[in-house]
Amino acid sequence: EVQLVESGGDLVQPGGSLTLSCVASGFIFSDYWMSWVRQAPGQGLQWVANIKPDGSEKNYVDSVKGRFTISRDNADKSLYLQMNSLTADDTAVYYCARDWTDTDSSGRPNDYWGRGSLVTVSS
Amino acid sequence: DVQMTQSPSTLSASVGDRVTITCRASQSVSPWLAWYQQKPGRAPKLLIYKASTLESGVPSRFSGSGSGTEFTLTISSLQPEDFATYYCQRYNTPSRTFGQGTEVELK
Repeated sequence: EVQLVESGGDLVQPGGSLTLSCVASGFIFSDYWMSWVRQAPGQGLQWVANIKPDGSEKNYVDSVKGRFTISRDNADKSLYLQMNSLTADDTAVYYCARDWTDTDSSGRPNDYWGRGSLVTVSS
Repeated sequence: DVQMTQSPSTLSASVGDRVTITCRASQSVSPWLAWYQQKPGRAPKLLIYKASTLESGVPSRFSGSGSGTEFTLTISSLQPEDFATYYCQRYNTPSRTFGQGTEVELK
């Protein structure tokens, strides 16, 4: 069974930093791109970042470029999101989601999601 | 960047109704278009990918169609468990973009 479990969400002051983690199980982690998606309170989904299976390519939404860094550890089956210079606009539930794989031809995007981790930016 | 626009933002319907949600892209994204369902307090659930392929385990009353820049999600006969918010997502490049969502509510 595929499982994704996020952790690290917290209350942080504006300008502060936080790192989210996501531990994967039930699939070959190193075969898949992985994504972070966020949802501000009462708002829609916003894709934040994703990372290639070998970590060689990373993509970000414009609003977090230069502040957030996505990374992964395939040996530990873990995905990370380091967040710096946080503002109130970054307050959201952050979801870890499995993304694309080149190992099959299905063409499925974010097919498994974690339960989310709440980040609150407030003084 | 590719923008995704869903319509309507809110849809009022009754059980048994046929429901259609539209998603328009600012440029062609074919066939890399997915649909998700989200219920309050829950993670999104993949319903359809590659515009029209039904995800395993998703009821056949859900269907997707379209190409180029215009896509639709249809629920052929709305069931009580289908009241939720639906999002389209383009994934024609390594980055992704979601539509703003369509809430399907009870009339």
